[in-house]
Amino acid sequence: NAGVTQTPKFQVLKTGQSMTLQCAQDMNHEYMSWYRQDPGMGLRLIHYSVGAGITDQGEVPNGYNVSRSTTEDFPLRLLSAAPSQTSVYFCASTIGLGTEAFFGQGTRLTVV
Amino acid sequence: EDQVTQSPEALRLQEGESSSLNCSYTVSGLRGLFWYRQDPGKGPEFLFTLYSAGEEKEKERLKATLTKKESFLHITAPKPEDSATYLCAVQPGGATNKLIFGTGTLLAVQP
Repeated sequence: NAGVTQTPKFQVLKTGQSMTLQCAQDMNHEYMSWYRQDPGMGLRLIHYSVGAGITDQGEVPNGYNVSRSTTEDFPLRLLSAAPSQTSVYFCASTIGLGTEAFFGQGTRLTVV
Repeated sequence: EDQVTQSPEALRLQEGESSSLNCSYTVSGLRGLFWYRQDPGKGPEFLFTLYSAGEEKEKERLKATLTKKESFLHITAPKPEDSATYLCAVQPGGATNKLIFGTGTLLAVQP
């Protein structure tokens, strides 16, 4: 049972480049989320999904897009990378409201 | 505004020296309060969920408690392997699964 799998683990981008962070879960969870973690700021919600075909914005959505075509996958797209998007990104999934979230191992992204 | 504040930011203990971490929160309609452990370079790992004031949960050397305004994570006779960052998060009421996190407490347990 792999849980939540994120790829890549590390990535360096140049300003203006685009890329997709992949997230897949094999637990048949309906709810999935993307967070970013920055020093001194805690984890902040970027986008979330309550099921296939349904997504919504979190606290810090600007510069990111998401889609949820299947229950298993929830990719995060950076449209035009900026240095302010240098961060560690975590994907999480939950089976339902009020239940614990399972996190991936994270993607460390540096934008130069 | 929903908010979570953790204290202290960092805590250094000797092995066997018990202590508590604090998580104070303001939230509209608490659905649940969660404690996570995070090791360097890893994703948060779930520890406990608390749902209502007065609730307590235990796991090995850890015990989490909840009041209407704060939660405590008590660590009894810690060992060096308990060294990690401990994160507190709340889930407000409503139809989303969003979590609001505190900034964490970095715990170092020295042998």
